[in-house]
Amino acid sequence: KAGVTQTPRYLIKTRGQQVTLSCSPISGHRSVSWYQQTPGQGLQFLFEYFSETQRNKGNFPGRFSGRQFSNSRSEMNVSTLELGDSALYLCASSPVGSGGYNEQFFGPGTRLTVL
Amino acid sequence: AQKVTQAQTEISVVEKEDVTLDCVYETRDTTYYLFWYKQPPSGELVFLIRRNSFDEQNEISGRYSWNFQKSTSSFNFTITASQVVDSAVYFCALGPSNYGGSQGNLIFGKGTKLSVKP
Repeated sequence: KAGVTQTPRYLIKTRGQQVTLSCSPISGHRSVSWYQQTPGQGLQFLFEYFSETQRNKGNFPGRFSGRQFSNSRSEMNVSTLELGDSALYLCASSPVGSGGYNEQFFGPGTRLTVL
Repeated sequence: AQKVTQAQTEISVVEKEDVTLDCVYETRDTTYYLFWYKQPPSGELVFLIRRNSFDEQNEISGRYSWNFQKSTSSFNFTITASQVVDSAVYFCALGPSNYGGSQGNLIFGKGTKLSVKP
């Protein structure tokens, strides 16, 4: 089974631009979560999508948004980029279970650099 | 507030030494989940273990073992006879009560960087 894939792997943008990152979950997984990883703040939850609906959201400004498509693929968008948005963005997919937390499978991440 | 603290920022050991990575968590939830993930230099987080708050049994998997103690809110991870391939950043994470079945919103500690030297 193919793992979680994220594209692109590396991205360089300038302040003020916007960026879209893509995540393809493991086949059959309907939950997709996004995390931001920075040296200062560590790993922080951005949002989770399930069946094309945002089910949970972290404490990030509205410049960060996402969506999920009917095939469970997800995209996240960051508008009006700031230097502090430079980070590794990780996507994780999870199977739907009867309750509780299932294991989250992480992709390799997209390294975003904002100049 | 819900929080995960990994007080050890970096640990360096020599191959074959045993090493314990500490994790202390804070939550008011009665139902919660605890995780350990490994992040090798490649960057991809690798799942190691999940434990729910009602299961305090310790677990052993090969050279890895986990000690969950609710009384001290700790979920420590021990690697026995460490190997160079164990070098990575290790994260402890808390999954709070997932109302509505949410699978995301893990709360991660800052991680412990383990270096195993030959």
